[in-house]
Amino acid sequence: AQSVAQPEDQVNVAEGNPLTVKCTYSVSGNPYLFWYVQYPNRGLQFLLKYITGDNLVKGSYGFEAEFNKSQTSFHLKKPSALVSDSALYFCAVRDEQNYGQNFVFGPGTRLSVLP
Amino acid sequence: SQTIHQWPATLVQPVGSPLSLECTVEGTSNPNLYWYRQAAGRGLQLLFYSVGIGQISSEVPQNLSASRPQDRQFILSSKKLLLSDSGFYLCAWGPGGFYGYTFGSGTRLTVV
Repeated sequence: AQSVAQPEDQVNVAEGNPLTVKCTYSVSGNPYLFWYVQYPNRGLQFLLKYITGDNLVKGSYGFEAEFNKSQTSFHLKKPSALVSDSALYFCAVRDEQNYGQNFVFGPGTRLSVLP
Repeated sequence: SQTIHQWPATLVQPVGSPLSLECTVEGTSNPNLYWYRQAAGRGLQLLFYSVGIGQISSEVPQNLSASRPQDRQFILSSKKLLLSDSGFYLCAWGPGGFYGYTFGSGTRLTVV
């Protein structure tokens, strides 16, 4: 079975500091991993994804994520946080072996960037 | 390019009234379609998904139903709303495989 964990409900970081939002997953085969961002009263927006290839994936708005197979993690990072990055972030996974299966989303992590 | 439309953006309905939320996708054919509910601005709960016209899978038993009368149209309904049906409803589509989902802008439903 597929599962995703985001161990932190809330992450607070000062503007200009680096940020990390954590995600760990469990799948039977190789994972397809995604990060989405949600601003208040809006739908989820795609940030980046890992399918195969380089473990460091670069995405929108200066975000990047590092795929670590041994630790089954896909943490979202940004070198310098902006106040406008404050939002709800979701990690999602699908098992490559289960092509027709739906994505499983994590519970979400609320990021607050303080000025 | 593909786009997804979801309406209305906000809705206030009395308890016991019916509900119909509509979602349409443009620029693609035979998409997988999804309805999610999000309570209190947190996690996503998958309510229904559809892989084709007339094919609906329900993830949780509840007061809601879904229908897919056309390839690119997905409707969320209720005959009688409950207070617990309040929440933020999101429609999404995805082609499957290693493609992610594209989400609509959401509907804020308040049942009073």
